[in-house]
Amino acid sequence: AQSVAQPEDQVNVAEGNPLTVKCTYSVSGNPYLFWYVQYPNRGLQFLLKYITGDNLVKGSYGFEAEFNKSQTSFHLKKPSALVSDSALYFCAVSRINQGGKLIFGQGTELSVKP
Amino acid sequence: DGGITQSPKYLFRKEGQNVTLSCEQNLNHDAMYWYRQDPGQGLRLIYYSQIVNDFQKGDIAEGYSVSREKKESFPLTVTSAQKNPTAFYLCASSILQGNQPQHFGDGTRLSIL
Repeated sequence: AQSVAQPEDQVNVAEGNPLTVKCTYSVSGNPYLFWYVQYPNRGLQFLLKYITGDNLVKGSYGFEAEFNKSQTSFHLKKPSALVSDSALYFCAVSRINQGGKLIFGQGTELSVKP
Repeated sequence: DGGITQSPKYLFRKEGQNVTLSCEQNLNHDAMYWYRQDPGQGLRLIYYSQIVNDFQKGDIAEGYSVSREKKESFPLTVTSAQKNPTAFYLCASSILQGNQPQHFGDGTRLSIL
């Protein structure tokens, strides 16, 4: 069965430090991977995606993610965290011929302190 | 501006009442989705539709119903059979190819009176 795991419910970092939000997936075949961010009482906003090619993907607001096929991981990273990055982050996976359906992880609450 | 509009932002349901949540998109997307979000549980798929006049159950369809009479619209009805309807409901749309992201509305928060 397909699944996505975000092993950390919460990540705390100091402003200016690098941040990592972890995601691992389990799916047969080649996955399409996505990261979304959600601010309180808002919908999800798309950050970045991995489809194929370069394992390091750059996205919105200075975020990037590294695809690692052998570890089936797609960790979200940012070199220098901002207080405004504090939000809920979701990893998601879809498959070819699934008509756009996504499987979401449980979400990770990122808290960036000044 | 293209996007997805959900209304109302907040909704209250009385016991035994059906309520309908609106979702409209002007992105010309074929696929539309309804998710339920509860704290600590991520997003769970309720229903989805890939074409007008057709829709499929997701993981938690019991107590919900949908229709897709127009490409732009995908309303969700929370029926009285849904015993725990308090949640944040999100609508999304996408093209059918899985390599493109879903676009989300800003949600409807449903509470029980």
